[in-house]
This record gives sequence, structure tokens and C-alpha cells, in this order.
Amino acid sequence: EPEVTQTPSHQVTQMGQEVILRCVPISNHLYFYWYRQILGQKVEFLVSFYNNEISEKSEIFDDQFSVERPDGSNFTLKIRSTKLEDSAMYFCASRKLDEQFFGPGTRLTVL
Amino acid sequence: AQTVTQSQPEMSVQEAETVTLSCTYDTSESDYYLFWYKQPPSRQMILVIRQEAYKQQNATENRFSVNFQKAAKSFSLKISDSQLGDAAMYFCAYLGGDTSGTYKYIFGTGTRLKVLA
Repeated sequence: EPEVTQTPSHQVTQMGQEVILRCVPISNHLYFYWYRQILGQKVEFLVSFYNNEISEKSEIFDDQFSVERPDGSNFTLKIRSTKLEDSAMYFCASRKLDEQFFGPGTRLTVL
Repeated sequence: AQTVTQSQPEMSVQEAETVTLSCTYDTSESDYYLFWYKQPPSRQMILVIRQEAYKQQNATENRFSVNFQKAAKSFSLKISDSQLGDAAMYFCAYLGGDTSGTYKYIFGTGTRLKVLA
């Protein structure tokens, strides 16, 4: 059964460093999403991506964040200068019709 | 704006008993989807059950069933014959479009379910 994959499963970085979180959506899906979950809190929408451009972003998704689909299969989330409060689980999801399929998440720890 | 509310931060159930987790939502849309996700300690999001708003029949998946009350905007999850492996955080989620046509999930704050042996 096709699934969304994410790498790495855990990323540790120093404050101020850039990180790139990678996702491989399900191959025939057209809509892609990033969500964030700070430990103990609910899952929050960051950004949606369709037709090679951002279709919507939340107030969390500020200028420090960017997304890219560099090669038609990967979907990346870049955080330019990480802050302590960026520590969270980051989930990628993709959708063809109605249901979104979530990846296993990347745990980002900012020290 | 759409909202999802889970008013029970934590619930406990005895093994083999039945438990109901509550969820209410607010939307002005008529066509949308509702989901329950399970998040075990591994923190992966696992789909438990889904409900299309246009369907009147409540969804059922083995021991999991929902009570979908569209007029009341209520979507509760019933777990029958609870098992130790059911212990997890459960998130209710709404998926629907907005005026710009963008679909995204709105999640509730979650209910932590403890299963007592």
C-alpha cells in the first residue's frame, strides 16, 4: 500500500541553523501539506501546496519557513534560522481526493 | 472559521468496556469530512475512522463507531471492547474547503485515552 514517507525521523539542530525536512508524498497525489505538533499540543496546519505553489499558509508559516517540490517527488520544508520554539513534530501529508495521508513525522529538536 | 472542540482532555476505560469520546465542530459548509485519528506514543497519526457529511449512516470500523449528528455538529467516537492497545491520544479532525477552495485539516486538542487492565 502506498504511503507518505519522511526523512529524517529525528533531527537535532542548534538554534539559528537551517534545517530541511523531507517528504515523499504518494505518487499520484496532487495536494501536499505540512503540519506541526508541539509536544503535548494539537496538530496545527502550516501550509498547503498545489500545482507548484503555496495555496494557503497559516500565521505560523512566517518568512523563516519555505516549501519546495524540487524534483516532482520530494516535498521539502525549510526552516532558515531555527528557534527553540520550532521544536516539534512535523507531519507531511498528501491528498488526491478527500482524505489526507500522513507521513510518520519528523521530530525536530532545537538546542 | 471552522473550529473543532474536544472537551475531554483525558478519559479512562476498563479493558473490555466501552468508552465514548466527544467532539463538536463548527462550520458553515454543508459538504465536509470528519475523522478520528489515533496517536500512540510513537506520535504517528493513524486514521481510525472517517465520516462523509453527506452520509446519514454512521461509520463503523470493527470496534470503532461514530455517532454523527450533523444538525448538532457533533461527532463522537465509541470504542467497544476496549483493548490495552487502544491507549493513545485521539484527535478529532474536520476536513473541508473554505471560501478560497483550500482544503485543510482542523484538529481538536485531543483526548488522552487510558485503558485500565
